[in-house]
Amino acid sequence: EAQVTQNPRYLITVTGKKLTVTCSQNMNHEYMSWYRQDPGLGLRQIYYSMNVEVTDKGDVPEGYKVSRKEKRNFPLILESPSPNQTSLYFCASSPTSGRSNREQFFGPGTRLTVL
Amino acid sequence: AQSVAQPEDQVNVAEGNPLTVKCTYSVSGNPYLFWYVQYPNRGLQFLLKYITGDNLVKGSYGFEAEFNKSQTSFHLKKPSALVSDSALYFCAVRDGSRNQFYFGTGTSLTVIP
Repeated sequence: EAQVTQNPRYLITVTGKKLTVTCSQNMNHEYMSWYRQDPGLGLRQIYYSMNVEVTDKGDVPEGYKVSRKEKRNFPLILESPSPNQTSLYFCASSPTSGRSNREQFFGPGTRLTVL
Repeated sequence: AQSVAQPEDQVNVAEGNPLTVKCTYSVSGNPYLFWYVQYPNRGLQFLLKYITGDNLVKGSYGFEAEFNKSQTSFHLKKPSALVSDSALYFCAVRDGSRNQFYFGTGTSLTVIP
């Protein structure tokens, strides 16, 4: 089954404790991205990656890091989480050519609470 | 600056009536425009997109959208609403010069039986 998986699905942590949210896709997509969803603000792009070792900042990259060492994986790292990073996070992937060009396939989401 | 606006937070429509969810955008270059739907406690699902060609785009579940370049709009439409269409709808645009995406704030659609 084609899917984007995220782990963990729910996480409660404390300010300053480093954490990683994993994202993996099994569709051989080139493009991967992280978003955060907040009430009244919709989805905002944090980082995206066009392919292995190619990453770029989205609209709200502050406080986040990413890496793309393998095509299928795109982890999101919060080195020192703060309460304003409490949010619902989505990973997404898409092909960059063909009929489904740029159609993003979203993961189920990770609900993060930073105390 | 690139942006997407969904002017209505909430749209209510009676089952069987036509529905419209509005979207306007501002982006450099030729836009790639998208509609996604989000059901409760789920990730977003792709509905349809416009990249080039016919201004009227048909997508999943009977939805369609009309690209209007002069009004910079990409409104989502369906001729006959179903209760199961009730969900949160997001319009999105890809920056033509980069690979960054911008999403609107979402419109909650409620179809009343």
